[in-house]
Amino acid sequence: QAQLVESGGGVVQPGGPLRLSCVASGMTFSNFGMHWVRQAPGKGLEWVAFIRYDGKKKNYADSVKGRFTIARDNSKNTVSLQINNLRVEDTAVYYCAAAGKDWFDPWGQGTLVTVSS
Amino acid sequence: SYVLTQPPSVSVAPGQAARITCDGNDIGSKSVHWYQQKPGQAPVLVVFDGGDRPSGIRERFSGSRSGNTATLIISAVEAGDEADYYCQVWDNQVWDDNSDLWVFGGGSKLTVL
Repeated sequence: QAQLVESGGGVVQPGGPLRLSCVASGMTFSNFGMHWVRQAPGKGLEWVAFIRYDGKKKNYADSVKGRFTIARDNSKNTVSLQINNLRVEDTAVYYCAAAGKDWFDPWGQGTLVTVSS
Repeated sequence: SYVLTQPPSVSVAPGQAARITCDGNDIGSKSVHWYQQKPGQAPVLVVFDGGDRPSGIRERFSGSRSGNTATLIISAVEAGDEADYYCQVWDNQVWDDNSDLWVFGGGSKLTVL
């Protein structure tokens, strides 16, 4: 059964960088596009970024363009999200999810990023 | 950008059917997917492509679409169905590969009375 495990969250000061990682198992990782989705405390889901199975296509939400970079390493079954110039409003649980045709399944358990001074 | 609108809350008695709506412009031309999220847990896909269910999801979950509204239907609601539910579509412009967006509705909290 496919499983995704995120890591890298924590408390970070505004303006700082952070790199989140997601490791996949139980699936042929190189066949799947991957997404990052975030959820601010008490709020709904917000799609953040997508990377195609081969890494050659990337899409970002307008709210994160220029600050977030998604990448993948198919040899390590890993997708990452580099976040620069963190803002208080980036505080959220960040989930990675595998891409179905245009849906998200499965999801990881999430990693919490708190931006605070 | 594309907007999906859900009611913030839906209440239903046990054993009754719950209907959670998702409004979007020309949503009938899009594939609509639904997720269940229980407190403290990650979302789970319960319906995709408007009405199909992933393996392990019970037949009580189904979807429909009419005009500018998609609907998640949960028949014979149980206490364990109490959760937040989100609809989702893919918004793409065929002439611009870089404009692909994945959009979620604001979520609906299902309360079982």
